[in-house]
Amino acid sequence: ETGVTQTPRHLVMGMTNKKSLKCEQHLGHNAMYWYKQSAKKPLELMFVYNFKEQTENNSVPSRFSPECPNSSHLFLHLHTLQPEDSALYLCASSSASAYNEQFFGPGTRLTVL
Amino acid sequence: DQQVKQNSPSLSVQEGRISILNCDYTNSMFDYFLWYKKYPAEGPTFLISISSIKDKNEDGRFTVFLNKSAKHLSLHIVPSQPGDSAVYFCAAPLTDSWGKLQFGAGTQVVVTP
Repeated sequence: ETGVTQTPRHLVMGMTNKKSLKCEQHLGHNAMYWYKQSAKKPLELMFVYNFKEQTENNSVPSRFSPECPNSSHLFLHLHTLQPEDSALYLCASSSASAYNEQFFGPGTRLTVL
Repeated sequence: DQQVKQNSPSLSVQEGRISILNCDYTNSMFDYFLWYKKYPAEGPTFLISISSIKDKNEDGRFTVFLNKSAKHLSLHIVPSQPGDSAVYFCAAPLTDSWGKLQFGAGTQVVVTP
């Protein structure tokens, strides 16, 4: 595997389900990010992790819970989501010294019924 | 508060002609700008960037122009090729927050033969 990978690529879940999104980067980076992209809207930054420490929580509801066990892996745990949470969730990584140039995974297309 | 704006959601251009994508920003503290390109079912990929100390940066067929007084930047693609058909995002890092990029809503470019 190369670059940034995300699984699953598609996910359909009910509002009472609990699921997790997984991201893995193979670039040797030490910063990782979760973004949300809703239809016709800009990418919205959700969380930032730098050397496994969360440095940004962009006022994200607690039904989204990130986890970063090491610099290569990032999870987004989902529970009791709402239909308006349906979106494309993108993971990205960067080196700490060049954080502006972020490398994105292909995203997980999430549908909440 | 949307600080980076792309007011043209779509652009259609003939192969071989110039594509001009526009981006406006409201935050005068921005000192670095990036363009990302996104194909369907893939994550955004970094395309080109420009520092606020420059007014032009060129990389092959792609040139970004920055007009700080107008808080405006543009991406020129010359000549346009069918493989350039994608969504293009303008982005800028917030200067008071590490790793936080503000993205525009994107412009869908379609290059026709």
